[in-house]
Amino acid sequence: DQQVKQNSPSLSVQEGRISILNCDYTNSMFDYFLWYKKYPAEGPTFLISISSIKDKNEDGRFTVFLNKSAKHLSLHIVPSQPGDSAVYFCAARPVGTYGGATNKLIFGTGTLLAVQP
Amino acid sequence: DSGVTQTPKHLITATGQRVTLRCSPRSGDLSVYWYQQSLDQGLQFLIQYYNGEERAKGNILERFSAQQFPDLHSELNLSSLELGDSALYFCASSVEGGQGWDTQYFGPGTRLTVL
Repeated sequence: DQQVKQNSPSLSVQEGRISILNCDYTNSMFDYFLWYKKYPAEGPTFLISISSIKDKNEDGRFTVFLNKSAKHLSLHIVPSQPGDSAVYFCAARPVGTYGGATNKLIFGTGTLLAVQP
Repeated sequence: DSGVTQTPKHLITATGQRVTLRCSPRSGDLSVYWYQQSLDQGLQFLIQYYNGEERAKGNILERFSAQQFPDLHSELNLSSLELGDSALYFCASSVEGGQGWDTQYFGPGTRLTVL
């Protein structure tokens, strides 16, 4: 049962343009959503998060949008740079059971972003 | 460099064998998490430890076990290995792992190949 889905396995964008990565979720019991970036032979690196009570969070070139009614999350990268080429994972944190005292994450399958110079 | 170290980087072994993966968290982090990434899959949460105690469990097989030691490093033990256990195993750490937002920092992973 895949609760967090990234339906696009890959995306190609020209340098300087906007990259939009999408993610859908099927469970409303998440309190945080986030994006990780992963280069080959490295572990995932945290990019940006958003609380379930917000609809937008911005950090430099990266903006995450949350549409709760559509159960949809997106990451916008503007402008895209060749160094942004990586696999991007969407993840969500379920509301915990130990009175909220858990931080486990549910990950999507990732989208490979290629930014062409 | 996230500050999380994992050893070994690569491990090749045979079916039926047992292996131990090791993780050292970032200095000061009390929580350690283990994730498994099989081919073309997302990362699957296995287990979380906080300050030596198990805090949360995911879809971890009974053949797998983990522990966190007093110096906060963690080991993931995989036994009676099967071909399907071949995967990347990531360790992550965070300061607390509790209610507030607490970023997880990932190690570079251990690639396990079972032949």
